[in-house]
Amino acid sequence: DAGVTQSPTHLIKTRGQQVTLRCSPKSGHDTVSWYQQALGQGPQFIFQYYEEEERQRGNFPDRFSGHQFPNYSSELNVNALLLGDSALYLCASSQGYSNQPQHFGDGTRLSIL
Amino acid sequence: AQSVTQLGSHVSVSEGALVLLRCNYSSSVPPYLFWYVQYPNQGLQLLLKYTSAATLVKGINGFEAEFKKSETSFHLTKPSAHMSDAAEYFCAVGSQGAQKLVFGQGTRLTINP
Repeated sequence: DAGVTQSPTHLIKTRGQQVTLRCSPKSGHDTVSWYQQALGQGPQFIFQYYEEEERQRGNFPDRFSGHQFPNYSSELNVNALLLGDSALYLCASSQGYSNQPQHFGDGTRLSIL
Repeated sequence: AQSVTQLGSHVSVSEGALVLLRCNYSSSVPPYLFWYVQYPNQGLQLLLKYTSAATLVKGINGFEAEFKKSETSFHLTKPSAHMSDAAEYFCAVGSQGAQKLVFGQGTRLTINP
């Protein structure tokens, strides 16, 4: 039973560029959440998708956007990259729009030069 | 607004000793509480969750946590530390119906031989 898978595992970009990160949820899960984890910090909630709609959003600018596909997979897009966007981006999936535990992928390490 | 405070960014114990990682939360509604563990270069793995069914929650790998409403605490314990327990531990709070998790800053657990 595959867990949450994220791609790519590592990515290097320069300031001003755009990036797309991808996530496939655990089998049977239909809700996807994205978190940003800066070095030495706890994860910060970016947004959450359910039924292909953004349901909740954290305190992140509009440069951060996302999408959920009919197969429940999801993308995180970040435009006009800043040095401060360097972080580990974690995808989490869960079953139903409820408080079922979230299962996390291993993340995408994004470095901005 | 919900928040989590983890007391002690770094805890060091000897192998075989008691592990105690502290977590205090703030929530205006009955909370859902979680402990996650993160090994180097990996995502977060769920250790245990509190969802109001029982105040003492048992998790994986011999960990348990006790919910104390009067102290707004959810401390994580393990009777006997093992070398494999060395990792970063995160306490998180969610609220009923909302899957947004708010994480603490994390506690790095080191096990001394």
